Amino acid sequence: VQLVQSGPEVKKPGSSVKVSCKASGGSISNSAIGWLRQAPGQGLEWVGGILPIFGTTKYAEKLQGRVTITTDDSTSTVYMDLSSLTSDDTAIYYCARGNDYDHLTGRLGWFAPWGQGTLVTVSS
Amino acid sequence: DIVLTQSPGSLSLSPGERATLSCRASQSVTSSYIAWYQQKPGQAPRLLIFGASSRATGIPDRFSGSESGTDFTLTISRLEPEDFAVYYCQQYGSSPETFGQGTKVDIK
Repeated sequence: VQLVQSGPEVKKPGSSVKVSCKASGGSISNSAIGWLRQAPGQGLEWVGGILPIFGTTKYAEKLQGRVTITTDDSTSTVYMDLSSLTSDDTAIYYCARGNDYDHLTGRLGWFAPWGQGTLVTVSS
Repeated sequence: DIVLTQSPGSLSLSPGERATLSCRASQSVTSSYIAWYQQKPGQAPRLLIFGASSRATGIPDRFSGSESGTDFTLTISRLEPEDFAVYYCQQYGSSPETFGQGTKVDIK
């Protein structure tokens, strides 16, 4: 399966962004999908994830209330919605398949493959 | 959350040399659930190792992973020109998954 993400976004502070991640060559319904981000020149940060087959989601504590991850099984697409954007949310956002997941804890496992990344820039 | 500390922050080596990258966990990592990734500029991370020592599909055998308690090591036995990149460790033994801050391997 390959993961193909939507294009770059430029957003104003306080607005929302929705990034898509489409699986080609396979279904996401029995996969775990995680979202991660990387601020400019920085390391990797886990944003959250979804286990479609169990209908469960889990989010990073620092983003709780601002991030929502959903799926559209008919198009094998996962979406990440982030609201109340600030400049600190400027980053490349990646989706990736989680392997070795545990639906009881929400643990996704190691990540492969990855999408190509979507640059989200928050600027006034 | 489990904190992963990678060392050194950067490493300057020549092609053909051996690279040893360290990742120390702040607490025990369940079932050796450590992965290593390589990231080149402008690219998404690529999985190298999972389960502390299992190579991912297509990864050359010059890459190897090992562990000793809460210390994990990625070794590149002989650096090839394409190996100069940033390397991250990740723990997936408990949620949330966390990453180290990365080690940059550059050409001396």
